[in-house]
Amino acid sequence: GEDVEQSLFLSVREGDSSVINCTYTDSSSTYLYWYKQEPGAGLQLLTYIFSNMDMKQDQRLTVLLNKKDKHLSLRIADTQTGDSAIYFCADSHTGTASKLTFGTGTRLQVTL
Amino acid sequence: DAGVTQSPTHLIKTRGQQVTLRCSPKSGHDTVSWYQQALGQGPQFIFQYYEEEERQRGNFPDRFSGHQFPNYSSELNVNALLLGDSALYLCASSLAGRAKRETQYFGPGTRLLVL
Repeated sequence: GEDVEQSLFLSVREGDSSVINCTYTDSSSTYLYWYKQEPGAGLQLLTYIFSNMDMKQDQRLTVLLNKKDKHLSLRIADTQTGDSAIYFCADSHTGTASKLTFGTGTRLQVTL
Repeated sequence: DAGVTQSPTHLIKTRGQQVTLRCSPKSGHDTVSWYQQALGQGPQFIFQYYEEEERQRGNFPDRFSGHQFPNYSSELNVNALLLGDSALYLCASSLAGRAKRETQYFGPGTRLLVL
């Protein structure tokens, strides 16, 4: 079955770059997403990438996709304390019912 | 532009009871998906509704059922509650059929505690 895996925890200093990694198993994934979840809140869509792209940049966020290795990463430049949250990657497939399969989430802690 | 809304925000039930959670999709969206997020885990897909029909279902028992109304809002019903049903229930809405990418936007969730 489909599986999406992430490391559990990442700690970075304010101002540094953060890189959150994700691997997925389903080669038919067409869209890959990054969501952010703050304590007690729902999921906020950060960005997404289509599977035929290698990279996407959106302000401080850069998504890299290695389709051969089924590896996805999210780089946050100039990490701020407000970036402290849990980050989930998720994959989906085109079709009439695009359910999302999520990883377990990476908790990002930003220290001063 | 109203985002996805869910009610109630919190709920406490006892084992064996039944619960109904509600979701209103983002304006202009016609598809609603429900997810269960246990503590410390990623969300798990329960099912998705489009045109008032369940069009895909995850690995959840029949105790979990849903409904979509003509105005696209949706309900999630859980019967015979178990302690393990305690979780954050997330609703997501999207626009189907007109775009290849059915990006899902999430509501704040309903936190259910079963005692």
